[in-house]
Amino acid sequence: QSVLTQPPSVSGAPGQRVTISCTGSSSNIGAGYDVHWYQQLPGTAPKVLIYGNSNRPSGVPDRFSGSKSGTSASLAITGLQAEDEADYYCQSYDSSLKVFGGGTKLTVL
Amino acid sequence: EVQLVESGGGLVQPGGSLRLSCAASGFTVSSNYMSWVRQAPGKGLEGVSVIYSGGSTYYADSVKGRFTISRDNSKNTLYLQMNSLRAEDTAIYYCARDQGIDQWLVNWGQGTLVTVSS
Repeated sequence: QSVLTQPPSVSGAPGQRVTISCTGSSSNIGAGYDVHWYQQLPGTAPKVLIYGNSNRPSGVPDRFSGSKSGTSASLAITGLQAEDEADYYCQSYDSSLKVFGGGTKLTVL
Repeated sequence: EVQLVESGGGLVQPGGSLRLSCAASGFTVSSNYMSWVRQAPGKGLEGVSVIYSGGSTYYADSVKGRFTISRDNSKNTLYLQMNSLRAEDTAIYYCARDQGIDQWLVNWGQGTLVTVSS
């Protein structure tokens, strides 16, 4: 049981927009801690996609965006591309450790 | 270039021990927060342990009292000593360079697989 809650899967056609939600509680996201997002391609380590709720590291396309409100956060991907098919994880902080969502598998139809 | 290389994983019987290593290059381990994160087969990510630059350490409840995080400054290497291993500890273990208390994991190793089975 993950501390943060994400939908197990989302899907969309190429060019479409999808969103992935991440719901926490008053001890993590709701306490004001930042939310970060990772992309994990099959057989590889996760890579940070969004940090500090809405910031993109250099090299991450602006098709990816993040937001946070209250005890939840969202990752939006616009202009879906085949290479976006991956697992996505949100991460925050709780009780002195990193806490993660259970992950969302994005399928590009 | 920052690089993290884990080693030490393998097959171990329940109740056994393993020590994972994470050799770092391109930055100084002792000046950074460093984390261990694991991923059970087909499952999500779980934060296991963190060591602050000042030396404070924290553990997930699931491993507290059994795992110990440490570092060797002379070798620029992070460790995870795992004792009293259980089947549910089976996972890929990643070390990661941690940007801070509620910050993100900026660099990850490739992971090392630990399998606990008789």
